[in-house]
Amino acid sequence: AQSVSQHNHHVILSEAASLELGCNYSYGGTVNLFWYVQYPGQHLQLLLKYFSGDPLVKGIKGFEAEFIKSKFSFNLRKPSVQWSDTAEYFCAVRTVSARQLTFGSGTQLTVLP
Amino acid sequence: GAGVSQSPSNKVTEKGKDVELRCDPISGHTALYWYRQSLGQGLEFLIYFQGNSAPDKSGLPSDRFSAERTGGSVSTLTIQRTQQEDSAVYLCASSSQEETQYFGPGTRLLVL
Repeated sequence: AQSVSQHNHHVILSEAASLELGCNYSYGGTVNLFWYVQYPGQHLQLLLKYFSGDPLVKGIKGFEAEFIKSKFSFNLRKPSVQWSDTAEYFCAVRTVSARQLTFGSGTQLTVLP
Repeated sequence: GAGVSQSPSNKVTEKGKDVELRCDPISGHTALYWYRQSLGQGLEFLIYFQGNSAPDKSGLPSDRFSAERTGGSVSTLTIQRTQQEDSAVYLCASSSQEETQYFGPGTRLLVL
């Protein structure tokens, strides 16, 4: 069965700092990759997704992620974070054979004003 | 509606009671998923419905858990004889052919 690892459980940054959240998955076949965000008191929202094509994908609110197949990674980046980016971020994988998402354990991002 | 809706938003029950959680997917979405979000286990898949096909129940943790989807739309997740370890946020998601899953606000279940 596939698994997803998010290396950082809690990241604390100051506003304007750059962000990179790691995500690695274990599955040798074709995958669809997602980053979801959960703002305080709100439900899970899609940030960005990768199905195929250009491995650098851009999402909402200035976020981007790069799919590196050889490293089984899909790291999330943002060049300059804002206080409003404080949230929990989840990486998720879906394989061709299974429709459900397998989630990482999540990374809590705190941005200090 | 504009998004996935779930009810109730919060549910407190006593150990041993049965509970029913409801999900209304986005109109036109053929696939519906239930997940559970808990402190110890993170986000876990429970069950998946696609059209009229038999559901994928591979994520259900025990036979106390069941779900149905009526008319290809609304779904109900039932937990019988609730236990304290069932306390969690139960999330519903739906997707169209494009297969991006959109999540509802969840039902927070507390079993006393």
